[in-house]
Amino acid sequence: GEDVEQSLFLSVREGDSSVINCTYTDSSSTYLYWYKQEPGAGLQLLTYIFSNMDMKQDQRLTVLLNKKDKHLSLRIADTQTGDSAIYFCAGNSGSARQLTFGSGTQLTVLP
Amino acid sequence: AAGVIQSPRHLIKEKRETATLKCYPIPRHDTVYWYQQGPGQDPQFLISFYEKMQSDKGSIPDRFSAQQFSDYHSELNMSSLELGDSALYFCASSLRGLGLAHTSTDTQYFGPGTRLTVL
Repeated sequence: GEDVEQSLFLSVREGDSSVINCTYTDSSSTYLYWYKQEPGAGLQLLTYIFSNMDMKQDQRLTVLLNKKDKHLSLRIADTQTGDSAIYFCAGNSGSARQLTFGSGTQLTVLP
Repeated sequence: AAGVIQSPRHLIKEKRETATLKCYPIPRHDTVYWYQQGPGQDPQFLISFYEKMQSDKGSIPDRFSAQQFSDYHSELNMSSLELGDSALYFCASSLRGLGLAHTSTDTQYFGPGTRLTVL
C-alpha cells in the first residue's frame, strides 16, 4: 500500500514563510491533499492538487508537486499564530479512493 | 454550507461494552468513509460506502461493523470494546458521482469526529 512520510515538527516566526514537506511512494493518487488539524478538532481541508499539475496557489497557500521525486510541499506565506496546528498530507490511491495520510507535521508559530 | 455531522461528539464506555457512532454526510454526497485516529497518530481508513453499498475495507476489526442507510447516513457499530479502541473516529463524505473518472468531487470533507474513551 501507499506510504506517506512527513517531518514531525516545524517552528517558524510569525510573518515568516513555512514549508511543510511530504514524500509518497504510490504515484497512482490522482489527487493529493493537505488537511489542517487543530488540537482535539476535526480535519479541515486546506487545498488539493491534481496529480498532473506542478503547482497550485490559493491565497497564502502554495502547493508544489514533483511527481518524478514523489515530493509534495505546502508553503504558507506570512505565517500567523492561528496557523499553529498539525498538517497532514494525503493521497487518494486506494481502490475506494480512501485517503492515506502522512504522519502529520506539527507547525508551531512563535511570536 | 452544510457540513458532515457526527454524533455523539464524546462517548465513554467500559471494556466489553458496545457503541454506535452516527454520521450524516453533506447533502447529495453519495460516499461515506470512516477513519480512526489514535492518540498522536494519523487517521487510518476503516471502511467506506458508496450508494449504500460497502466499497472497501481497511484496518477495521471484525468486532466492528458499519452500514449506510437509505437516507445516506451511516453508523459504525463497535462491540466488545477494548482499551485500544479509544480514539477519535472521523466520518468523511464525498460526491463520487458516476465514478467514471477521478474528479475534484472526490474531495473528502470530514466531520468533527467522535471521541471514544474506553475505560
